[in-house]
Amino acid sequence: DAKTTQPNSMESNEEEPVHLPCNHSTISGTDYIHWYRQLPSQGPEYVIHGLTSNVNNRMASLAIAEDRKSSTLILHRATLRDAAVYYCILRDDRTSGTYKYIFGTGTRLKVLA
Amino acid sequence: EAGVAQSPRYKIIEKRQSVAFWCNPISGHATLYWYQQILGQGPKLLIQFQNNGVVDDSQLPKDRFSAERLKGVDSTLKIQPAKLEDSAVYLCASSLDLVSDTEAFFGQGTRLTVV
Repeated sequence: DAKTTQPNSMESNEEEPVHLPCNHSTISGTDYIHWYRQLPSQGPEYVIHGLTSNVNNRMASLAIAEDRKSSTLILHRATLRDAAVYYCILRDDRTSGTYKYIFGTGTRLKVLA
Repeated sequence: EAGVAQSPRYKIIEKRQSVAFWCNPISGHATLYWYQQILGQGPKLLIQFQNNGVVDDSQLPKDRFSAERLKGVDSTLKIQPAKLEDSAVYLCASSLDLVSDTEAFFGQGTRLTVV
């Protein structure tokens, strides 16, 4: 299964941008990069995903390195409600065709008021 | 649009007892996943269905865990007999289908405590 590496935790001040990094050096050409977040006592929720180009949506932006071995989730203005565990996931479809979402341990984001 | 429904929300059982969890995915979603999330860890995939067929169950402890998705809609996950280490949140998720790159939607989970 494709693996990702993320820092265990990060802190940010409210109203400031947050850059959450993810390394995925074993990514294959067809793996999409997905980001999910999990608020306390909730199931994970989708944030954003991309393949090669940078992506923007109402929640965040995703910057993907040219070699695709790393990516960064950008929250433009962190709020207290953004405090969560953020998971960077490669959707595994290379070998088995099962298109699994394999979660790592994620980055716990703490937002300071 | 209704989300993924799971029940019960909480369950406490003694070790060696049996327990079952139920999941109703979003209407029209062909792919259904069951995950186990132990406290402090990321979710671990147990089993993945496409309609009523199993796509992947390589991480399912088949000596005690079973799952089914009759008629390709609702799904149940059963543990029999339960062990202390099965204490976790069991998450159900669904997505539109297997191959199109759409997001997965997760339920709130069932928190199981085995004592």
